[in-house]
Amino acid sequence: EAQVTQNPRYLITVTGKKLTVTCSQNMNHEYMSWYRQDPGLGLRQIYYSMNVEVTDKGDVPEGYKVSRKEKRNFPLILESPSPNQTSLYFCASSHRLWNSNGYTQYFGPGTRLTVL
Amino acid sequence: RKEVEQDPGPFNVPEGATVAFNCTYSNSASQSFFWYRQDCRKEPKLLMSVYSSGNEDGRFTAQLNRASQYISLLIRDSKLSDSATYLCVVNPSFQKLVFGTGTRLLVSP
Repeated sequence: EAQVTQNPRYLITVTGKKLTVTCSQNMNHEYMSWYRQDPGLGLRQIYYSMNVEVTDKGDVPEGYKVSRKEKRNFPLILESPSPNQTSLYFCASSHRLWNSNGYTQYFGPGTRLTVL
Repeated sequence: RKEVEQDPGPFNVPEGATVAFNCTYSNSASQSFFWYRQDCRKEPKLLMSVYSSGNEDGRFTAQLNRASQYISLLIRDSKLSDSATYLCVVNPSFQKLVFGTGTRLLVSP
């Protein structure tokens, strides 16, 4: 089954304690991305990756890191989480982002993070 | 001004009704447009792409007006299962998608 998986699905942590949210896709997609979703603000892109070892900042990258060592995995790292990073996080993947025909971006199920 | 703006709703309609959502975007260079559906606390899923000529998928019709920079989604014969939040999504530049905050639809019996 084609899918994007994220772990953990729910996480409560404390300020300053490093954490990693994993994302994996089994569709051989080149493009992967992380978003956060907050009430009234919609989905905002944190980082994206066009392929292995190629990553770039989205709209809200501060406080986050990513890596793309393998095509299927795109972990999101919070080195020193703060309460303003409490949010719902989605990972997404697709073959390409710039092809408007037949384009589909697949989302993972989301990770609900609370930073106390 | 937000890059993509939507009426947050909620739109409360009875089963069988026709409902329309609009979305406006600010970047006139935007190339691709989409509607996504998001159920409560779940991941967004692509509902349909929006083409300049307009396109239809069953009870759903999407329209694009480039001159006025707005996109619409029409749902005919609403079902209870259509209750969700509908996200307008615009691709304004290479490798970038911008999501609207969504319009919430509630279909009641």
